[in-house]
Amino acid sequence: GENVEQHPSTLSVQEGDSAVIKCTYSDSASNYFPWYKQELGKRPQLIIDIRSNVGEKKDQRIAVTLNKTAKHFSLHITETQPEDSAVYFCAAGGNNRLAFGKGNQVVVIP
Amino acid sequence: DTGVSQDPRHKITKRGQNVTFRCDPISEHNRLYWYRQTLGQGPEFLTYFQNEAQLEKSRLLSDRFSAERPKGSFSTLEIQRTEQGDSAMYLCASVLAGYNEQFFGPGTRLTVL
Repeated sequence: GENVEQHPSTLSVQEGDSAVIKCTYSDSASNYFPWYKQELGKRPQLIIDIRSNVGEKKDQRIAVTLNKTAKHFSLHITETQPEDSAVYFCAAGGNNRLAFGKGNQVVVIP
Repeated sequence: DTGVSQDPRHKITKRGQNVTFRCDPISEHNRLYWYRQTLGQGPEFLTYFQNEAQLEKSRLLSDRFSAERPKGSFSTLEIQRTEQGDSAMYLCASVLAGYNEQFFGPGTRLTVL
C-alpha cells in the first residue's frame, strides 16, 4: 500500500518568514495529494490539494508543488502568521483511499 | 452545523467492554471513512463505505472492530472487548460523489482503562 513520509517533524519559523514542509510517497499510482491543517483539539481541515496532472498550485499564502518523477510534494507557506501554528498532514492516494503522513508541527514565533 | 458530526465526543471505558460510536456525514455525501489517530500520528485508515456498501477494510483492523452504514447515511463503528491499545481518537470523514475532499468530523476520543 501507499506509504507517506513527512520531514521535518517540527519546524519553527519567525513570523513573516516562509515555511516549507516536504512529503514523499511510494505508490506511483497515487494521483491526489491534499494537505490538512489540524489545530490542537480540532478536526483536520483541508487547506490545499493538488492532482497529479498539475505541478504547482497556489492559494494566497499557501502553495503546493508536486514532483511525480521523484514522488515528492511540498507545502509552502509564505509570510507566516501566528495563526499558522498547527500540525500539518500531507496525504497521498486515489479516488477511494488516502494514506496520511505523521504530521509536521509548525510553530510561528511572533 | 451542517458539517460531519460524531457522537459521543469522549468515551471512557474499562478493558473488555464494548463501545459503539456514531458518525453523521454531510447530507448527500456518499462516501464515508473511519480513521484512528493516536498522539503524534496522522489519521490511519480503518474502513470506508460508498453508500451502504463497505468497500474496503484495513488489513490492520482487528476482527474486534466492525462498522455499518445500513441506510447509506449515518455509520456506526463498534469495538468489542476493548483493549488499552484501542485508546485513540476515532475520526470520521465524508466525501461528495465525484470529488476528493474529505471533510472530517470532530472525532470521538476513546480511553480504555
